[in-house]
Amino acid sequence: DIQMTQSPSSLSASVGDRVTITCRASQGISNYLAWYQQKPGKVPKLLIYATSTLESGVPSRFSGRGSGTDFTLTISSLQPEDVATYYCQKYNSAPFTFGPGTKVDIK
Amino acid sequence: EVQLVESGGGLVQPGGSLRLSCAASGFTFYSYAMNWVRQAPGKGLEWVSGISGSGGTTYYADSVKGRFTISRDNSKNALYLQMNSLRAEDTAIYYCAKATGAAGKILFDYWGQGTLVTVSS
Repeated sequence: DIQMTQSPSSLSASVGDRVTITCRASQGISNYLAWYQQKPGKVPKLLIYATSTLESGVPSRFSGRGSGTDFTLTISSLQPEDVATYYCQKYNSAPFTFGPGTKVDIK
Repeated sequence: EVQLVESGGGLVQPGGSLRLSCAASGFTFYSYAMNWVRQAPGKGLEWVSGISGSGGTTYYADSVKGRFTISRDNSKNALYLQMNSLRAEDTAIYYCAKATGAAGKILFDYWGQGTLVTVSS
């Protein structure tokens, strides 16, 4: 099975900073990569699918890039409401594995 | 408005069984694959199982294959997860999640609030 890794596992940044999270698949998954945001105590929310397509209502400061095995999620200007854990997920075929998550907080 | 409401969680002894249910509304239920995703306390997300809109295709994570069975009743807009031979490591919040994407390309656009399953003696 394809394994998903994320780095870093956590980060702390200042409001307004540019933040980038990396997700890597152990084998190529084309562009079948999604990103989710889970705020503390809340249910996960779909942010991005097909590597770079923003789900409706997601702020434009979020963006995604990549293909094959290497992907990134970027927050162009970190806001206090972005404090959350971010998960990538492969969906090219079963099992539909999530990455281990990256916890983002404000410095 | 899409709503997914899970039920059936609780405390069960190791080796025991439990059946989770998810009541869906606000969308054409039979048109979408449905899934169960779990999250152990303080841990990350783990996809558990999925089922196609017709119910004809099912998917399982290796960690639950042979112990869990997913099913759906499209006449009742309901999703189920029968969990047998439960282990301590199955302790988690279990989320019902609606799939989006093409057939066999499963990602999740709506989630329920989850139901807690605790496996302990």
